[in-house]
Amino acid sequence: GDSVTQTEGLVTLTKGLPVMLNCTYQTTYSPFLFWYVQHLNEAPKLLLKSSTDNKRTEHQGFYATLHKSSSSFHLQKSSVQLSDSALYFCALSDSSGSWQLIFGSGTQLTVMP
Amino acid sequence: NAGVIQTPRHKVTGKGQEATLWCEPISGHSAVFWYRQTIVQGLEFLTYFRNQAPIDDSGMPKERFSAQMPNQSHSTLKIQSTQPQDSAVYLCASSLETGEIGNQDTQYFGPGTRLLVL
Repeated sequence: GDSVTQTEGLVTLTKGLPVMLNCTYQTTYSPFLFWYVQHLNEAPKLLLKSSTDNKRTEHQGFYATLHKSSSSFHLQKSSVQLSDSALYFCALSDSSGSWQLIFGSGTQLTVMP
Repeated sequence: NAGVIQTPRHKVTGKGQEATLWCEPISGHSAVFWYRQTIVQGLEFLTYFRNQAPIDDSGMPKERFSAQMPNQSHSTLKIQSTQPQDSAVYLCASSLETGEIGNQDTQYFGPGTRLLVL
């Protein structure tokens, strides 16, 4: 079945530094990839989504490119801010006809002053 | 747009009691999804409806859990004979899914119901 792997459970950075959160996936169908961000005690909110191979998608300073050849959709930002501290989930949906999201285990990003 | 509404926000039950969680999707959205979030298991899919019809319940525990969508404005998740391992945040999400292959729309999440089973 489908699966999503996020290798970093916890990332701590100083404000202003770049960040990359890894996401790889497995599916036998056409993939749709999403990044959701969840601040403490809040609902997950969509940050980015893509189904187009090799096309960069951007939102709120974050960006990611879906690479079907390597089954990856890594999230990046060039300069993190204190407000970026949150839990980030990579999620997969596919073309099988069920629109459920399969989530990775999440990466807790903490930005220090 | 009030977003997805979930009630109650917090619920405490004793072991063996029943818990009913409510979700009101965004008006006009045709798909409703239920997920469960725990520290250990992360975010897990439970079930979903499209145009009120159950489409996929592959994530639902086969015993004690049931979900319904009696009308387009609300869905319920019922847990019978609750157990401590049912303690979690239960998230409801809705989207504009048309059902067309290749048209994955964004799922908008509610704030969740935090269930604690003592």
